[in-house]
Amino acid sequence: DAGVTQSPTHLIKTRGQHVTLRCSPISGHKSVSWYQQVLGQGPQFIFQYYEKEERGRGNFPDRFSARQFPNYSSELNVNALLLGDSALYLCASSFRVRGIGETQYFGPGTRLLVL
Amino acid sequence: DQQVKQNSPSLSVQEGRISILNCDYTNSMFDYFLWYKKYPAEGPTFLISISSIKDKNEDGRFTVFLNKSAKHLSLHIVPSQPGDSAVYFCAAMGGGSEKLVFGKGTKLTVNP
Repeated sequence: DAGVTQSPTHLIKTRGQHVTLRCSPISGHKSVSWYQQVLGQGPQFIFQYYEKEERGRGNFPDRFSARQFPNYSSELNVNALLLGDSALYLCASSFRVRGIGETQYFGPGTRLLVL
Repeated sequence: DQQVKQNSPSLSVQEGRISILNCDYTNSMFDYFLWYKKYPAEGPTFLISISSIKDKNEDGRFTVFLNKSAKHLSLHIVPSQPGDSAVYFCAAMGGGSEKLVFGKGTKLTVNP
């Protein structure tokens, strides 16, 4: 079975531009979460979506937005890119939102470089 | 504030010996804990988890121990293999929050 897939794998943008990252969850999983990982740090939570509704939001500015589609895939959008947005963006899927023991499985990530 | 702490940035062990990776947390609302392994240029791979109703969970060479009173968990890898060399992240969730909170990771090197 396919795991979580993300596209693109790498992306180079310039300051002020907009970017859209895409994620397809594991088949049967209905929840998608987005994380940002900068060098030397652990992943930081950005959003969680379940059944197309936002179920959690981390401490990120409004330039970051996301949505989930009827097929449970998801997009993360970042507007007005800053140099500090350069990071590995990870998508994780789980069968449902928070129940005891709800493990999230991660995709390979999209590496974004903002110049 | 750092709610999940991995105080050892790196650890080096010999092949065949035990690797012990440690993690401390501060939020008493956390009730589910996970360990992930990450190779460069890849996403984190789930290894093992434990809920707060248990104090030990075992899966093959990997065992996680949870000490709730000390707010401490550890991952034991026995025996360690060179392919285990990676960065290991401790993560926690709970308190009604939907998010995983990660530590900064420990880089494990297993020497042949």
